[in-house]
Amino acid sequence: QKEVEQDPGPLSVPEGAIVSLNCTYSNSAFQYFMWYRQYSRKGPELLMYTYSSGNKEDGRFTAQVDKSSKYISLFIRDSQPSDSATYLCAMSSTGGTSYGKLTFGQGTILTVHP
Amino acid sequence: GAGVSQSPSNKVTEKGKDVELRCDPISGHTALYWYRQSLGQGLEFLIYFQGNSAPDKSGLPSDRFSAERTGGSVSTLTIQRTQQEDSAVYLCASSLNNGNVLTFGAGSRLTVL
Repeated sequence: QKEVEQDPGPLSVPEGAIVSLNCTYSNSAFQYFMWYRQYSRKGPELLMYTYSSGNKEDGRFTAQVDKSSKYISLFIRDSQPSDSATYLCAMSSTGGTSYGKLTFGQGTILTVHP
Repeated sequence: GAGVSQSPSNKVTEKGKDVELRCDPISGHTALYWYRQSLGQGLEFLIYFQGNSAPDKSGLPSDRFSAERTGGSVSTLTIQRTQQEDSAVYLCASSLNNGNVLTFGAGSRLTVL
């Protein structure tokens, strides 16, 4: 079993829909949770960053972390065709060289249709 | 520079050949990482450099893989005697100090025939 599980999709939604992306994990040492967006032939770019449990909102994006369930989510409101990309969850634990060493999910391919 | 720069963007090589992939991190970023992204897979950590400390090589898949970082800036990932399973996109990232907010380059796409 992988440390981080993410449904690869693909996920196809109409413009304006609410999108829900999720990851589960098994390592209770993970404290930092991130969502990266990756467009085709590009490197991943950081979208959301959360420490420990709770919610964080940034514009149309909301990240949720539930450490008790080892489950994280990214919600995209009013989705746009420009949101079409692969979304990768990533996590790391605290301390030493683990700090910057991220464990990624497989990535979910999202397509938003006009 | 403004971002993380990687070269070459594409590399096609024959099985058994050696390849070198280059990464130029963001100026002032002391931490540098190499990840590998295979088709349909998430990113896999390979190696991590932080300042003058010994690199964390725990993710390198075999002794055919090595990396160095000269002068605390540019890094080169070397794959010796390439195999078909080495085909992937090799991504470099950098960050301030040892923070876990990474800025990625566009990657080097390696195809081993």
